[in-house]
Amino acid sequence: AQSVTQLGSHVSVSEGALVLLRCNYSSSVPPYLFWYVQYPNQGLQLLLKYTTGATLVKGINGFEAEFKKSETSFHLTKPSAHMSDAAEYFCAVEGSSNTGKLIFGQGTTLQVKP
Amino acid sequence: GAVVSQHPSRVICKSGTSVKIECRSLDFQATTMFWYRQFPKQSLMLMATSNEGSKATYEQGVEKDKFLINHASLTLSTLTVTSAHPEDSSFYICSAKESVNTGELFFGEGSRLTVL
Repeated sequence: AQSVTQLGSHVSVSEGALVLLRCNYSSSVPPYLFWYVQYPNQGLQLLLKYTTGATLVKGINGFEAEFKKSETSFHLTKPSAHMSDAAEYFCAVEGSSNTGKLIFGQGTTLQVKP
Repeated sequence: GAVVSQHPSRVICKSGTSVKIECRSLDFQATTMFWYRQFPKQSLMLMATSNEGSKATYEQGVEKDKFLINHASLTLSTLTVTSAHPEDSSFYICSAKESVNTGELFFGEGSRLTVL
């Protein structure tokens, strides 16, 4: 079974500051890990994903995440926040059977202050 | 890129009526689709896995007679909320897994159901 915990339901940063959104997972099999962004009343947009190989994954809009097996973490970072980054962010895990069945974390609301 | 369309995007209905939501993969085939439910300010909860040509697999605690899922073709899955009540009001999101080449997963834009 898989589960995801996102630490911090609300993160507030200043424009231009570092963004760090935390995600820890639990999985009985090698996980596939995802970060999605959701804008109000919209569906999910994939930011990045880790399946196998390089543990530092680069995504869209300047985001990246690092898979750390020893820490069971997959934190999302962006060096410099932009106002347009304000949204809801979800971390998700899938077993490596690649079924497409994702288990989502609770979500983190990112606020970007001018 | 691949697109998943949900229809309707918003629906308001009276208590006791049934509502059908469509999830359609526009430019790829998807033998497997997923239905999620999202309450305000909360995460996505997986409701069921929709399998083309066979019965859906429901997650624990999800009433299959309440939430009817039909996946009659490789590009369309439908979720019917039967005898809807106000507590069924929610944001319903589907995802579709490309089944021929990449196996990529794509999400729809969501459907907001309000039951009066």
